Amino acid sequence: EDQVTQSPEALRLQEGESSSLNCSYTVSGLRGLFWYRQDPGKGPEFLFTLYSAGEEKEKERLKATLTKKESFLHITAPKPEDSATYLCAVRRQNFVFGPGTRLSVLP
Amino acid sequence: EAGVVQSPRYKIIEKKQPVAFWCNPISGHNTLYWYLQNLGQGPELLIRYENEEAVDDSQLPKDRFSAERLKGVDSTLKIQPAELGDSAVYLCASSLGILAGTDTQYFGPGTRLTVL
Repeated sequence: EDQVTQSPEALRLQEGESSSLNCSYTVSGLRGLFWYRQDPGKGPEFLFTLYSAGEEKEKERLKATLTKKESFLHITAPKPEDSATYLCAVRRQNFVFGPGTRLSVLP
Repeated sequence: EAGVVQSPRYKIIEKKQPVAFWCNPISGHNTLYWYLQNLGQGPELLIRYENEEAVDDSQLPKDRFSAERLKGVDSTLKIQPAELGDSAVYLCASSLGILAGTDTQYFGPGTRLTVL
């Protein structure tokens, strides 16, 4: 059975304090790993897609990396506006989402 | 370009009542998804459409849930009768589809359902 776990469940950072979020998965025949950002009361917003181990993608203060068993979302010098829940999802036939990491960045 | 539109945004009903949710996907997106999201959890797929065909509805509780996508554009998700455990956010998403070379999903704002 395809499974996606995320850690930590919640993370509190000071503004400028870099850190990483983890997404671990067990799925055969991975057809893509997706990262989304979700703000309270809104639908998930697409960030990145990674397809193969070793692939990296960057957007502003965010960088996503992928290995054969996990993905990391690195946040460099975060700002309060980066506070949100970050979801990862894997695609085989359909999409399976992890529970998310709630990130709070304090000024 | 308009995003995925969902209505209503909020719905409060009593148990055993029927309820319906509506979704208008991004223009040109052939694939449409309905998800359920409980508080503190990630979205869980209910049904996936390719154009007007439901290609995966294995997670849809068919005794009380139904969905349709007429003409391969708008979609409705219905619950009848609603139960207390159905309280959740119902999300609609759309994508161009694998045949178009991308399966990136774009989500609507969701409908928050409260069953009393």
